[in-house]
Amino acid sequence: EAGVAQSPRYKIIEKRQSVAFWCNPISGHATLYWYQQILGQGPKLLIQFQNNGVVDDSQLPKDRFSAERLKGVDSTLKIQPAKLEDSAVYLCASSKELAEPYNEQFFGPGTRLTVL
Amino acid sequence: AQSVSQHNHHVILSEAASLELGCNYSYGGTVNLFWYVQYPGQHLQLLLKYFSGDPLVKGIKGFEAEFIKSKFSFNLRKPSVQWSDTAEYFCAVNARGNNRLAFGKGNQVVVIP
Repeated sequence: EAGVAQSPRYKIIEKRQSVAFWCNPISGHATLYWYQQILGQGPKLLIQFQNNGVVDDSQLPKDRFSAERLKGVDSTLKIQPAKLEDSAVYLCASSKELAEPYNEQFFGPGTRLTVL
Repeated sequence: AQSVSQHNHHVILSEAASLELGCNYSYGGTVNLFWYVQYPGQHLQLLLKYFSGDPLVKGIKGFEAEFIKSKFSFNLRKPSVQWSDTAEYFCAVNARGNNRLAFGKGNQVVVIP
């Protein structure tokens, strides 16, 4: 079974530029997550999709970050414009349908973003 | 919202030594608890989890963790580490009924051969 795919793996941009990340979840997984992991910290959830609907985006900085999952499969996360503090690894994860008590999240390799 | 504390961010130990990593969480309701591991150059992967039942849970590669509800703790242990256990370890918690994971800052563990 193929894992969660992400691209690009690395991205370097200057502040105020825009950037987009792509994620392809495990086939059949209805739930998709985007996390931000700043150096020295644990991952922080940015947004969670159930199929193509947003379940939780309470920690997404909506003035500059946006995400979509139009057909309930792939997802893109965009930052526009980027700030220095956006330098981080952006992780995508997926799981099966939301269920009790919990469905295991499978993580992709991440995209390392450096903002200069 | 729940939060997770991990101390001793950097841990260096020799092979065959015992490892214990502390994890404390703050949340008043029912929680699910997890330890994730990230080996160098690899993805985050689940090491073990606790939902209910026996508070001592066993995971992969000889790791175990004990849930102590009165202390809001979920400490990870391994009696004898190997060089291949060099990795970063993250404790995580989610409130029951909510898949949002809150992670601690992680423990960078280096095992010297």
